[in-house]
Amino acid sequence: DGGITQSPKYLFRKEGQNVTLSCEQNLNHDAMYWYRQDPGQGLRLIYYSQIVNDFQKGDIAEGYSVSREKKESFPLTVTSAQKNPTAFYLCASSNGRVAKNIQYFGAGTRLSVL
Amino acid sequence: AQSVTQLGSHVSVSEGALVLLRCNYSSSVPPYLFWYVQYPNQGLQLLLKYTTGATLVKGINGFEAEFKKSETSFHLTKPSAHMSDAAEYFCAVSEIASDWMGKYIFGTGTRLKVLA
Repeated sequence: DGGITQSPKYLFRKEGQNVTLSCEQNLNHDAMYWYRQDPGQGLRLIYYSQIVNDFQKGDIAEGYSVSREKKESFPLTVTSAQKNPTAFYLCASSNGRVAKNIQYFGAGTRLSVL
Repeated sequence: AQSVTQLGSHVSVSEGALVLLRCNYSSSVPPYLFWYVQYPNQGLQLLLKYTTGATLVKGINGFEAEFKKSETSFHLTKPSAHMSDAAEYFCAVSEIASDWMGKYIFGTGTRLKVLA
């Protein structure tokens, strides 16, 4: 079945540690997104990528980094510079640069700080 | 810039009662509008979307929404609530007046509780 796979489901970060969240899609979508979800704040865009080897900062990119070396993969690294990383992280993809295209979401990764 | 407002962060209804979740947007041009549902510890699932054409849009699980340009609203309704409808609901606007037309602006969400 086509879809978006995020792993791990739960992740714990120690002080000063970088952690990487995985996002893989087999929908053959060009565009991929990373969102952060905090209670009462909805979804906020961290990074997005329109095409392989290209990505742009979203609204809250500080303390995060991404890469897009393959069409199907868009990993997110939460660096030690992100002082408040505890949140639910959602990856999404869509079929290109068309406003009416639907974004499809993965099941999310919940990140907590030890 | 576009924005989305969802009135009521928490809504409670009795099983069998009407569900009404409110969404208002601000945009200088008619946007594309979406409603998503999120069950606990899961991703978002599309309920319905409005792009062009008929302003009353039917979605999955018996939900529907009406695009009202004059009121800049896209409220979500369901005639009869079921216990399985308990979830968080997000309204989103597609940012069509920007360099990247695939971006969404999300509302802050409404958590629906269904009472037995």
